[in-house]
Amino acid sequence: AQSVAQPEDQVNVAEGNPLTVKCTYSVSGNPYLFWYVQYPNRGLQFLLKYITGDNLVKGSYGFEAEFNKSQTSFHLKKPSALVSDSALYFCAVNTGFQKLVFGTGTRLLVSP
Amino acid sequence: GAGVSQSPSNKVTEKGKDVELRCDPISGHTALYWYRQSLGQGLEFLIYFQGNSAPDKSGLPSDRFSAERTGGSVSTLTIQRTQQEDSAVYLCASGAQLNYGYTFGSGTRLTVV
Repeated sequence: AQSVAQPEDQVNVAEGNPLTVKCTYSVSGNPYLFWYVQYPNRGLQFLLKYITGDNLVKGSYGFEAEFNKSQTSFHLKKPSALVSDSALYFCAVNTGFQKLVFGTGTRLLVSP
Repeated sequence: GAGVSQSPSNKVTEKGKDVELRCDPISGHTALYWYRQSLGQGLEFLIYFQGNSAPDKSGLPSDRFSAERTGGSVSTLTIQRTQQEDSAVYLCASGAQLNYGYTFGSGTRLTVV
């Protein structure tokens, strides 16, 4: 069965510093990987996805993620964090037409 | 429409009553999901519709929960004999084939009193 792990419940970073939110996955077959963000009292917003091709994927709001097949990881990164990036981030995976499975979420807190 | 529409946005119901939650997906999207999110928590998968295939109901927490999708479009999630632990935000998402991405609705906040 496919699964996603987000090992950190919360990540704290100072504004202007680089940030990383970790995600590892387990699937049978080729993974399709996604990152979503949820701001307080808002729905989930799509950030970026990896389907195939270049391992480095660029998405909305300056975020990027790198697909690493050997480490089965898809960490979310941003070179310079903003206070407004503070939110709940979810990693998700599926394969083919299987259901989309989400991680438990990581709360990112960017301090001024 | 331009996005996934869910109604109602808020629902307060008495324990033991039945409720219906509606999801209007993006036109042409063959995949439709229902998830549940308790306050500040992660996403709990409920059910997944993909085209004309039999739905994946493996996430439904009890037989009080059911969902249908009529004509490959609108979906209704029904909760019978609601319990207080059913209180959560119910999210619907739709997507096109080949996993090009999924768009979420704003959710229905269900409160069982």
